[in-house]
Amino acid sequence: GAVVSQHPSWVICKSGTSVKIECRSLDFQATTMFWYRQFPKQSLMLMATSNEGSKATYEQGVEKDKFLINHASLTLSTLTVTSAHPEDSSFYICSAPSASEIDTQYFGPGTRLTVL
Amino acid sequence: DAKTTQPNSMESNEEEPVHLPCNHSTISGTDYIHWYRQLPSQGPEYVIHGLTSNVNNRMASLAIAEDRKSSTLILHRATLRDAAVYYCILRDYNQGGKLIFGQGTELSVKP
Repeated sequence: GAVVSQHPSWVICKSGTSVKIECRSLDFQATTMFWYRQFPKQSLMLMATSNEGSKATYEQGVEKDKFLINHASLTLSTLTVTSAHPEDSSFYICSAPSASEIDTQYFGPGTRLTVL
Repeated sequence: DAKTTQPNSMESNEEEPVHLPCNHSTISGTDYIHWYRQLPSQGPEYVIHGLTSNVNNRMASLAIAEDRKSSTLILHRATLRDAAVYYCILRDYNQGGKLIFGQGTELSVKP
């Protein structure tokens, strides 16, 4: 089946720094990707829809200037957490709809961000 | 978004069938019922989906009530690897197909 990868799988950074997380569709093209955040013992919260070649669409309450999304190619979307703070520590997960199985979304393995 | 209601947790014995219920009384005609599951510290994975008719695949079966206000995910023989959080999600294709996750059901499987 289709595979979505994320890099890095985990990252620890100091408060105030920026962190970039990559999401790649390995064997299919994705004009749309989704970014989620998940706190411990909670469900996934949709943050934004990443659109190839255009601006991302953010969910209500998500700061677009803090969570910068770039979808520069059909296989890569990046999420940059700017000026990270401890409350941004979370599990970040991306997903992409399959081109061949249009009703299926494939999720990345997630990136664990810890901000000290 | 139409919401779903699932039990917070369920227990099962290994090699026995498991029926995971989901209520979605406000489902609309364009909503598909999707099930995903998430193993610990991993991203979710697709399980099954349907609109009106019952569906079967290699992972599970999906039974949908005639009025579509509820559905049941059936794992025919639970294994220890099926221990996960199972999410029932209504996907509105008119809204770009994004998935809005509810709280899900945490399934534990006892040997």
